[in-house]
Amino acid sequence: GDSVTQTEGPVTLSEGTSLTVNCSYETKQYPTLFWYVQYPGEGPQLLFKVPKANEKGSNRGFEATYNKEATSFHLQKASVQESDSAVYYCALSDPSGSWQLIFGSGTQLTVMP
Amino acid sequence: GGIITQTPKFLIGQEGQKLTLKCQQNFNHDTMYWYRQDSGKGLRLIYYSITENDLQKGDLSEGYDASREKKSSFSLTVTSAQKNEMAVFLCASSIEGTGVYAEQFFGPGTRLTVL
Repeated sequence: GDSVTQTEGPVTLSEGTSLTVNCSYETKQYPTLFWYVQYPGEGPQLLFKVPKANEKGSNRGFEATYNKEATSFHLQKASVQESDSAVYYCALSDPSGSWQLIFGSGTQLTVMP
Repeated sequence: GGIITQTPKFLIGQEGQKLTLKCQQNFNHDTMYWYRQDSGKGLRLIYYSITENDLQKGDLSEGYDASREKKSSFSLTVTSAQKNEMAVFLCASSIEGTGVYAEQFFGPGTRLTVL
């Protein structure tokens, strides 16, 4: 079945440093890929999505490229801020019709001032 | 835009008690979901519903019932609450379940404590 594997947390960084959260997936079809972010006390919210291979998604300084050959969708940010502290989830939607988003286990990011 | 409302925000119950969580959405989305989130862990799917009166079991359905009587609402029942159970239950909705339309919108969650 479909699966998503992402960087195990927690990750602690200093403000101004760069972030990479690895995400790899397995699926038989060509999925749409998502990154979600969850701030404390809130539900997850969409950071961005990319429906097509070799395209890049971005939002709020975060970006990820849908790499079909490597089956990866790593999240990156050049310079993190304290306000980026949150849990980040990689997810995929399989067009074969499973009617579910397959989520990774989440990566807790803490950014120190 | 739209919003997902979950009630109650905090729920405290006794062991063995039947507890019901409610979710309303005004996106006019067809598909709705219930997830359980334990502290420090990811999202685990309990139930989902493709349309009104439809129910599909997720990986964590044992110990839960669900009801989708209207397009806009989706309820989850904990059939017998377990002592020391502490989790956040998240409701979500999407236009449908596949491709780009599978983007899910989440509510703020109901935090459950069982004494």
